Amino acid sequence: NAGVTQTPKFQVLKTGQSMTLQCAQDMNHEYMSWYRQDPGMGLRLIHYSVGAGITDQGEVPNGYNVSRSTTEDFPLRLLSAAPSQTSVYFCASSYSGEQYFGPGTRLTVT
Amino acid sequence: AQSVTQLGSHVSVSEGALVLLRCNYSSSVPPYLFWYVQYPNQGLQLLLKYTTGATLVKGINGFEAEFKKSETSFHLTKPSAHMSDAAEYFCAVANAGNNRKLIWGLGTSLAVNP
Repeated sequence: NAGVTQTPKFQVLKTGQSMTLQCAQDMNHEYMSWYRQDPGMGLRLIHYSVGAGITDQGEVPNGYNVSRSTTEDFPLRLLSAAPSQTSVYFCASSYSGEQYFGPGTRLTVT
Repeated sequence: AQSVTQLGSHVSVSEGALVLLRCNYSSSVPPYLFWYVQYPNQGLQLLLKYTTGATLVKGINGFEAEFKKSETSFHLTKPSAHMSDAAEYFCAVANAGNNRKLIWGLGTSLAVNP
């Protein structure tokens, strides 16, 4: 049981590049979410999904897309990276309120 | 809208001293309440949670928290700090009706001095 896995662990992008952050969970949780963590700002919700085929925006969705074709996977796409998207990104899955977090992806956009 | 306030973005204690991290929330109905811990360069993990029942909740690593409805508080305590407790601590709240979408506090960084 691996829990929540995220790849890559680190990534450097140039402004304007696109990429996909991968997230997978093996706990059969319906609810999954993406957060970004920035110093002094806590965790901010980017997008979330309540089940396969259903996604919705969080508080900071601009510049990011998600899809949920399976229960297990919830990738986050950066369409055209900007320096403001430099952050640590966490994926989480949830059952009954308790959220399980992945180890994070540290993204730098230059 | 619901909100969570963690008083003190940085708290410093001596090893062996009491740890008290404060969390207050705004909610019109009794919520679900959580404390998470984040060690350096890691993801968050659940310390403890309150959903219903006993208002004093015990978690991992000797931490506990008490839900006080009248004060809308859920403060985290530990009687004796260890060096290994140095981490970032986050309080979070969810509505009982939608208990998967959490509202997060900004976090409190705990330093433990020898």
